[in-house]
Amino acid sequence: AQRVTQPEKLLSVFKGAPVELKCNYSYSGSPELFWYVQYSRQRLQLLLRHISRESIKGFTADLNKGETSFHLKKPFAQEEDSAMYYCALSGRYNAGGTSYGKLTFGQGTILTVHP
Amino acid sequence: GAVVSQHPSRVICKSGTSVKIECRSLDFQATTMFWYRQFPKKSLMLMATSNEGSKATYEQGVEKDKFLINHASLTLSTLTVTSAHPEDSSFYICSAMTAGGGLYSEQFFGPGTRLTVL
Repeated sequence: AQRVTQPEKLLSVFKGAPVELKCNYSYSGSPELFWYVQYSRQRLQLLLRHISRESIKGFTADLNKGETSFHLKKPFAQEEDSAMYYCALSGRYNAGGTSYGKLTFGQGTILTVHP
Repeated sequence: GAVVSQHPSRVICKSGTSVKIECRSLDFQATTMFWYRQFPKKSLMLMATSNEGSKATYEQGVEKDKFLINHASLTLSTLTVTSAHPEDSSFYICSAMTAGGGLYSEQFFGPGTRLTVL
């Protein structure tokens, strides 16, 4: 079974401070990890995925298979980063396609960046 | 980016009635769509995978006869909550996956539908 754990429900930082949102996962195969963000009154949207190795809005996340973690980091938080962040996991694409795309979400972390 | 719409955005119904929620991919074709349920201040829980032209695949614990899913075209999937009860009240979110598979596919989420059963 696959599982995603975000240990922090709430995280508060001041503008300009570094921020790290923690995510740990459990999966028997080779997973694909994502971070999704939901700003106030908006739909869920993809922030970044480990496979693309991109930095979006200053956020980065490195997949650590040894620690089964995919923590989200930003060196200098901005007020507009305040949102709900979800870590999610999907099984890798396979020829059968039965599990691909199915996302398992963590509980979410509400990030508040204070001025 | 790709856009997914849901209709209605909010619905209130009486206990025992059925409610249909539509999920549309507006500018791309989606062979696969997903339906999630979100409880207040909780995470999204995958209910089922909707595949165009075939039966939906339900997650464990989700009642197939209660949550009917139809993916009749490459741009439309519907979720019908049959004989709704107050415990079905929730926020239902759909997503649509772009084609290509692997690195080239991405899920886009709808804005959600708030269902309240009285």
